[in-house]
Amino acid sequence: GAGVSQTPSNKVTEKGKYVELRCDPISGHTALYWYRQSLGQGPEFLIYFQGTGAADDSGLPNDRFFAVRPEGSVSTLKIQRTERGDSAVYLCASSLQGARDTQYFGPGTRLTVL
Amino acid sequence: AQSVAQPEDQVNVAEGNPLTVKCTYSVSGNPYLFWYVQYPNRGLQFLLKYITGDNLVKGSYGFEAEFNKSQTSFHLKKPSALVSDSALYFCAVRSGSGNTGKLIFGQGTTLQVKP
Repeated sequence: GAGVSQTPSNKVTEKGKYVELRCDPISGHTALYWYRQSLGQGPEFLIYFQGTGAADDSGLPNDRFFAVRPEGSVSTLKIQRTERGDSAVYLCASSLQGARDTQYFGPGTRLTVL
Repeated sequence: AQSVAQPEDQVNVAEGNPLTVKCTYSVSGNPYLFWYVQYPNRGLQFLLKYITGDNLVKGSYGFEAEFNKSQTSFHLKKPSALVSDSALYFCAVRSGSGNTGKLIFGQGTTLQVKP
């Protein structure tokens, strides 16, 4: 079946601009996660949704970052006033139900802030 | 604080030889442990996990890992390496307590298998 999909695959923007990154989880998966992976590093947790609500947003670095999942399926990660330090690969993952289940990752969105 | 250490940036093995990629962890409560593999310009692919039960876990592509509670380790192994196993490997942990799905990843180990 279809895996996690993310769009766009690449996004180049200018410092100060607003960006939205989209994630389509595996069908039927109720849990969704966002991570950020900088060059040469392991992924870092940003936020975890269970259904429509953010169950854990402790990884969001500051208030420029926000994520939504209004219908409990597709999620959008929103970054305001982008900075060059936001450049990274943003990974989305989903799991069947709760946090105990295996997380399956999408291919990621490579964000470059010029 | 929860953490994962992968002490080797790179592991080099010859094709056909056994391989080990090391991982140690620190977590409160019982750990849930995972191994993922990442090929260039692709997302993470799940290999295997330990939640509870038998300390030796078998996963995809012939990989296995052994959970050692006393040494807080979860090393990835394969009896006979293939050139196609060359990739970036990540160990991850989450705490078994609480409701967070947050995974803590190590920095990754590059596996290079030479013909």
